Amino acid sequence: DVVLTQTPVSLSVTLGDQASISCRSSQSLEYSDGYTYLEWYLQKPGQSPQLLIYGVSNRFSGVPDRFIGSGSGTDFTLKISRVEPEDLGVYYCFQATHDPLTFGSGTKLEIK
Amino acid sequence: EIQLQESGPGLVKPSQSLSLTCSVTGYTITSGYDWSWIRKFPGNKMEWMGYISNSGSTNYNPSLKIRISITRDTSKNQFFLQLNSVTTEDTATYYCASSGPYFDYWGQGVMVTVSS
Repeated sequence: DVVLTQTPVSLSVTLGDQASISCRSSQSLEYSDGYTYLEWYLQKPGQSPQLLIYGVSNRFSGVPDRFIGSGSGTDFTLKISRVEPEDLGVYYCFQATHDPLTFGSGTKLEIK
Repeated sequence: EIQLQESGPGLVKPSQSLSLTCSVTGYTITSGYDWSWIRKFPGNKMEWMGYISNSGSTNYNPSLKIRISITRDTSKNQFFLQLNSVTTEDTATYYCASSGPYFDYWGQGVMVTVSS
């Protein structure tokens, strides 16, 4: 199975500052069709997970441009610029390139 | 708008079967998407369990393959999860979600505890 290693495990950020989360894969996530099926989800307290980013860097409908996904191959990053109170929760990377589909271990974002 | 809603018992005894229903509104499950089950364990670990496609084919996580079954009732626009021989390690919040390829719509989740 593909292992997605997220760092850090937790992150405490001052409102208005930038946060950065790393996701490293045990295998390349580029599929044979050239697409990279790497996504980012946020689970806010008491809510279901919600899609933020798909295809490494594409923001889902309604996601603010403060969320920026980047990376390729095995190394991916989610940056949140100008952190706001509603950004707190647990962030997960997820890969759908290889079966079985797998989630990262999660990064908890707290507001200082 | 697509909406998904899980239902099922919140408590299951060890060795028994866990059965959950996902009711979909706003979209016909045979029209497109795959329909997945995902669970979140106490703590942060998330696991994709499997899906049933809009054509009815299934794909399961091999870690669950001998215990899991995902089926559907197209007349009711529902799909189902059955997990056999549960143990306390199956205690989790279970979500259904649409996928194709990303999970864009989720249910609210149902917490299932496996305990005698």
